[in-house]
Amino acid sequence: DSGVTQTPKHLITATGQRVTLRCSPRSGDLSVYWYQQSLDQGLQFLIQYYNGEERAKGNILERFSAQQFPDLHSELNLSSLELGDSALYFCASSASRLEMSSYNEQFFGPGTRLTVL
Amino acid sequence: AQTVTQSQPEMSVQEAETVTLSCTYDTSESDYYLFWYKQPPSRQMILVIRQEAYKQQNATENRFSVNFQKAAKSFSLKISDSQLGDAAMYFCAYRGAQKLVFGQGTRLTINP
Repeated sequence: DSGVTQTPKHLITATGQRVTLRCSPRSGDLSVYWYQQSLDQGLQFLIQYYNGEERAKGNILERFSAQQFPDLHSELNLSSLELGDSALYFCASSASRLEMSSYNEQFFGPGTRLTVL
Repeated sequence: AQTVTQSQPEMSVQEAETVTLSCTYDTSESDYYLFWYKQPPSRQMILVIRQEAYKQQNATENRFSVNFQKAAKSFSLKISDSQLGDAAMYFCAYRGAQKLVFGQGTRLTINP
């Protein structure tokens, strides 16, 4: 158990709908990262938040957005869903910003499996 | 942009034997970290081993070791005495100044 929790575990919805995925980082971790893993593919970085502020952006679609709240939990909002959005969405947390001067391990949650029908 | 390539989509090994998974990466950065993650059927991402680019000594963690060739930008994972529980997808990953970049993965099967 990494200490990172994600809800829900599974989500089934229809095209055009909107969903919200939730992540609670490890106690004390300030950074939260979101990743998308399509079937049998590697993880694609979507976005990072640090202490409530957006720190880095990856290949995140405009239909997707995220935020980190004062209690440090984060939500990933996916709207106007398409079939191709079906994937496993991971959240990870780490203690601080990505700093090259020190190793900074990311701890992954169990993921949320999204199925768009 | 940094890229990570795993050229072996699938590998198999007999239980108790040794297997090596390949990974190459491309970067212009001089300071970075490299990782191997294991993803079993449960889909949990588990860190197996990490290597700091400034260290010449190859990292080892019990039965897992790496062969880090910085000039060749190669980072292979060796699993010794393979066990049935080692069956999983293995992802090589690179972290430089920005995000964590993953390879496409190698599916490892352990034959009893």
